[in-house]
Amino acid sequence: QVQLVESGGGVAQPGGSLRLSCAASGFTFTSYGMHWVRQAPGRGLEWVAVIWYDGTYKYYGHSVKGRFTISRDNSKSTLYLEMNSLRAEDTAVYYCARGPYQYDSGSYLDYWGQGTLLTVSS
Amino acid sequence: DIVMTQSPDSLAVSLGERATINCKSSQSVLYSSNKKNFLAWYQQRPGQPPKLLLYWASTRASGVPDRFSGSGSGTDFTLTISSLQVEDVALYYCQQYYGTPSTFGQGTRLEIK
Repeated sequence: QVQLVESGGGVAQPGGSLRLSCAASGFTFTSYGMHWVRQAPGRGLEWVAVIWYDGTYKYYGHSVKGRFTISRDNSKSTLYLEMNSLRAEDTAVYYCARGPYQYDSGSYLDYWGQGTLLTVSS
Repeated sequence: DIVMTQSPDSLAVSLGERATINCKSSQSVLYSSNKKNFLAWYQQRPGQPPKLLLYWASTRASGVPDRFSGSGSGTDFTLTISSLQVEDVALYYCQQYYGTPSTFGQGTRLEIK
């Protein structure tokens, strides 16, 4: 069965950096685009970024563009989110999710991980 | 960006009764070349990640009970639960994937009356 397991969350200082990981299993990782979506405490869902199956193309949401970098290691079936210049408003649960296509600039999300919590605070 | 607005923000329905949630997009999400609406619905139970219910506005995801249905086209969409069950208590979100960035509605909280 499809499994997505996020890790790397925790407490970071404003202006700091952190890298999230998402280990995928139960499907052919190289056949799908992958996404990050976040949810601030008690708030709704915000799409963060997507990466094509081969990593050649990436799209970002406005609030993270220039600060966050999505990447993937297909040899390890792992998705990453490198986060720099962190702000208090980046505090959220970060979910990785699978899109249905290889070439994915935006799609519905058919499988989601359980999420990892990032808290940005001094 | 396409703005998604759901109504109502919260809803209380009796067990076995119909629940209806609306979603309106600030511009059409109907792609003219394939006549598909780039609209999905998700369910998020307390403490859980979102779960895909419907995509292309009305196609049920694998394993989703047939009491869940979607309708609408262009800018106006509806999620209907035909007979509310206890396990349907959750937050529901619509999402457009017509434009980049993809955007979600603010969510509708569904409770038992």
